[in-house]
Amino acid sequence: KAGVTQTPRYLIKTRGQQVTLSCSPISGHRSVSWYQQTPGQGLQFLFEYFSETQRNKGNFPGRFSGRQFSNSRSEMNVSTLELGDSALYLCASSPPGGVGEQFFGPGTRLTVL
Amino acid sequence: GQQVMQIPQYQHVQEGEDFTTYCNSSTTLSNIQWYKQRPGGHPVFLIQLVKSGEVKKQKRLTFQFGEAKKNSSLHITATQTTDVGTYFCAGRGGGTSYGKLTFGQGTILTVHP
Repeated sequence: KAGVTQTPRYLIKTRGQQVTLSCSPISGHRSVSWYQQTPGQGLQFLFEYFSETQRNKGNFPGRFSGRQFSNSRSEMNVSTLELGDSALYLCASSPPGGVGEQFFGPGTRLTVL
Repeated sequence: GQQVMQIPQYQHVQEGEDFTTYCNSSTTLSNIQWYKQRPGGHPVFLIQLVKSGEVKKQKRLTFQFGEAKKNSSLHITATQTTDVGTYFCAGRGGGTSYGKLTFGQGTILTVHP
């Protein structure tokens, strides 16, 4: 089976712009979670989607949003980018009937200038 | 909100020495997971602990879940250079199997040959 894929892998934006990141989960996985990873803050949970519905949400401002499509693919959007949004954004999917383990994608490295 | 603290932040060992990282949660967890992230890579699921006092072993790795389900540890016996990476614990709260996962800050392990 193919692993979790994320596009793009690298992105450079300027402050004030918006960005959309995409994630394709492992085939058959219906749960998709997004995380922000920075050296200072570690891995922080953004949100989780299951069957097109947001199931859990982290403590991020409303500029961060996401959605999931009927084929389980997910997108996250960050509007009005700030310098502090520079980070590695990781997407993870979980198999049905599993223990909730997260299978991570390679991430999208976002740099905000 | 739920907080998961992990110590130490860094650990440098000589090959063959043992290594332990500890994880403490501010609230009782329904389960705890452990991940390993190699330099430049993404987190990879190692194991999940669910029961109070549970101990699981994977070759040289021993995982424990505290009696109160608020702390956990990962112990590596006789480290090897292949053990290099960052080890994260991730606690799941909410009393369900699909509550939000909160990651610890991680312990960066360096192994000197």
